[in-house]
Amino acid sequence: GQNIDQPTEMTATEGAIVQINCTYQTSGFNGLFWYQQHAGEAPTFLSYNVLDGLEEKGRFSSFLSRSKGYSYLLLKELQMKDSASYLCAVRDDENTDKLIFGTGTRLQVFP
Amino acid sequence: DADVTQTPRNRITKTGKRIMLECSQTKGHDRMYWYRQDPGLGLQLIYYSFDVKDINKGEISDGYSVSRQAQAKFSLSLESAIPNQTALYFCATSDFSSGKETQYFGPGTRLLVL
Repeated sequence: GQNIDQPTEMTATEGAIVQINCTYQTSGFNGLFWYQQHAGEAPTFLSYNVLDGLEEKGRFSSFLSRSKGYSYLLLKELQMKDSASYLCAVRDDENTDKLIFGTGTRLQVFP
Repeated sequence: DADVTQTPRNRITKTGKRIMLECSQTKGHDRMYWYRQDPGLGLQLIYYSFDVKDINKGEISDGYSVSRQAQAKFSLSLESAIPNQTALYFCATSDFSSGKETQYFGPGTRLLVL
């Protein structure tokens, strides 16, 4: 079956580092995406991993291990505006290349 | 100007009414999608289209229909709305030729069915 797991909620302090984990079990795999979604707004693309390893983009980094079915999103130097939901999504090439979304991790950043 | 637009942005309707949600894109992407989002359930795929006149069911297509008459437009219809269709609806597009197939989302339509 198709399953993507991420923690429901996390909290962190401004200026800190937080790691949001995602594990997946899908029929096929052709890439993993992270999206950021502020309350009531559209998801916006953050990162894409298709090969094992770390992709860094400014304060955000994303890691993938295909053998473990595992990814994480690392947010450094947290800012208040980083308070949002973070969605993990897997592109399943055994399933017409559709994106399968996790339920999202709601991150609250406190001063 | 936004690349993916949705109309209306908010809609209140009554049980049994037919309504249509519209999505337009200026990105020139072939692939378009309709999702609904409920609290705690994440994004669920309703229908998707890989080209004009191509229609495919997603996870939760019952009670919905779609139309893709042009590359830039993908409309979602609720033939007879029911209260459990109250949700936030997102349209998205993607460009398969890019390799990544990042999805770009519209601003969403908040639907309330009374």
